[in-house]
Amino acid sequence: DVKVTQSSRYLVKRTGEKVFLECVQDMDHENMFWYRQDPGLGLRLIYFSYDVKMKEKGDIPEGYSVSREKKERFSLILESASTNQTSMYLCASSGGRRNSYEQYFGPGTRLTVT
Amino acid sequence: AQTVTQSQPEMSVQEAETVTLSCTYDTSESNYYLFWYKQPPSRQMILVIRQEAYKQQNATENRFSVNFQKAAKSFSLKISDSQLGDTAMYFCAFMKPLFSGNNRLAFGKGNQVVVIP
Repeated sequence: DVKVTQSSRYLVKRTGEKVFLECVQDMDHENMFWYRQDPGLGLRLIYFSYDVKMKEKGDIPEGYSVSREKKERFSLILESASTNQTSMYLCASSGGRRNSYEQYFGPGTRLTVT
Repeated sequence: AQTVTQSQPEMSVQEAETVTLSCTYDTSESNYYLFWYKQPPSRQMILVIRQEAYKQQNATENRFSVNFQKAAKSFSLKISDSQLGDTAMYFCAFMKPLFSGNNRLAFGKGNQVVVIP
């Protein structure tokens, strides 16, 4: 089974802190994604990566950056956390030979910025 | 960018009954994929069912089936014989496949389904 793990389920940070959210997948997938999920807004794509060291902006990249130094790991970085970044963050991956279009999701990180 | 619209934000259904969730999308593409994802309370998002636009036959996965109307750009999900474990948020999603493989999804805002015993 595909496994996508995220470093923390719950995280509380202060305004202005630099925040790292880590995501790891074990299926050798080429594509990895970061979404944020807010009530009434669904999932919105922040950044995605289709290869190591490659990244593309999604729909709401402002205030975020990403890093993909290894194929299995995709990090989301909040350079200076703000209260409007309080949200649920979901990581996903896709690729491989079978069902290459299906995205597999991690459990999510609920981030609170105070 | 593609737009995916889900109405009826919250729905309740009796156990063993049937519930249908609606989804419409806006695209000028002819080749694309559509998905329904399920997110149970405090649990991971998982794929329920998917439909390739070039296939006329509606997809079915056990108690889950879709009604895909390509001309109307409609993609509804039917859950038959509802079970308590079907209680979840359901998201409709659209994807245009690219040769480069960076297959991004456009999601609707979700439908909350509550199955009542």
